Amino acid sequence: QVQLVESGGGVVQPGRSLRLSCAASGFTFRGSGMHWVRQAPGKGLEWLAVIWYDGSDKYYADSVKGRLTISRDNSNNTLYLQMNSLRAEDTAVYYCARARIGYCTGVTCFSGFEYWGQGTLLTVSS
Amino acid sequence: QSALTQPASVSGSPGQSITISCTGTSSDVGGYNYVSWYQQHPGKAPKLMIYEVSNRPSGVSNRFSGSKSGNTASLTISGLQADDEADYYCASYTRSSTLYVFGIGTKVTVL
Repeated sequence: QVQLVESGGGVVQPGRSLRLSCAASGFTFRGSGMHWVRQAPGKGLEWLAVIWYDGSDKYYADSVKGRLTISRDNSNNTLYLQMNSLRAEDTAVYYCARARIGYCTGVTCFSGFEYWGQGTLLTVSS
Repeated sequence: QSALTQPASVSGSPGQSITISCTGTSSDVGGYNYVSWYQQHPGKAPKLMIYEVSNRPSGVSNRFSGSKSGNTASLTISGLQADDEADYYCASYTRSSTLYVFGIGTKVTVL
């Protein structure tokens, strides 16, 4: 069955960097567009970034552009999110999610997020 | 890019139908059929309930249906059940530079 397992969260001081991981199994990872979405405590969902199935293109929400980098290792079925210059407002549960349409590019990667991981909590605090 | 507008809460009795609205603009909801709906129970990951305005993924009950008119999308839950009590988020592709925007979320309470 499809599994997405995030890891790498924890407590980090403001200004530091951190890399989150999302281990995928049960589906053809190299054929799947992947997203990161976060949810601050008690708040709604916020889309962060998308990467095409082959890593050829990446896009980011305006709010995180320049500080976050999405990447993937298709040989190890793993998605990453590098986060730099962390701020208190980055405190959230971070989810990885798989695009519904296989081998998607462009707008089709936003057809729906079919599978989600359980999330990893990042707390940015001194 | 502002979040899509949803009512903060909607409630209904078991067996009733409820509808949640999601209002955007011509740059998002009104301009594309890439509107999705997600259900989220407390402490759990979101679950895709509707994609591309009105399509249900495999395994999602046909009690859930979606539609769109102009800049407003809607999710209808018929035959309300206790397990439907959750937060519901709409989302849409947007031509703004942010690309994808969620609604603020609606808490559904089963009375």
